[in-house]
Amino acid sequence: SAVISQKPSRDICQRGTSLTIQCQVDSQVTMMFWYRQQPGQSLTLIATANQGSEATYESGFVIDKFPISRPNLTFSTLTVSNMSPEDSSIYLCSVGYLANYGYTFGSGTRLTVV
Amino acid sequence: GNSVTQMEGPVTLSEEAFLTINCTYTATGYPSLFWYVQYPGEGLQLLLKATKADDKGSNKGFEATYRKETTSFHLEKGSVQVSDSAVYFCALTDSGGGADGLTFGKGTHLIIQP
Repeated sequence: SAVISQKPSRDICQRGTSLTIQCQVDSQVTMMFWYRQQPGQSLTLIATANQGSEATYESGFVIDKFPISRPNLTFSTLTVSNMSPEDSSIYLCSVGYLANYGYTFGSGTRLTVV
Repeated sequence: GNSVTQMEGPVTLSEEAFLTINCTYTATGYPSLFWYVQYPGEGLQLLLKATKADDKGSNKGFEATYRKETTSFHLEKGSVQVSDSAVYFCALTDSGGGADGLTFGKGTHLIIQP
């Protein structure tokens, strides 16, 4: 399975600012996903990002708040815009494999908004 | 929509005890089912999966059987070790797996005492 490098691993940001999280995969993958894990909670899917098309957002998440780029088959970014303390979470990227129905996750970005 | 319900913790057991973590689901069609584990300070790792009814996934002494009639995928291990202390997430996707994002349960924090 692929190895995912996610950066930054953690950050502390001021409210009102934006943070861009990068996800680099060591092989070409079609399906990439972004999740949020709020403190003490489960993972919630934010959006699906496929190369060459607009990201598809889940209910409760909008592009203006969480713009996503997917310029090629090995890279994606998620931006958390105009942050508030409620955005403090762990953000994870993931890739999916149609061949074996599996998923691999990055190590996550722990974001604290103050 | 899809949903996953799993027993909430923390679950505290003594070493060598028998473990069951219950997981039930609601989904359209025929979902693929997964158990993920998150060890302290680490990222999500796939523990086991099953893609069709009556399949049994197994790994590291853990087992789970896909029960369509009871919409369940309970995780079991015959003899737990201190090193099994972690958070366990049950998850599903209603595609064949890999093509769509996952729906997660809230996670079960397992604590194994020596």
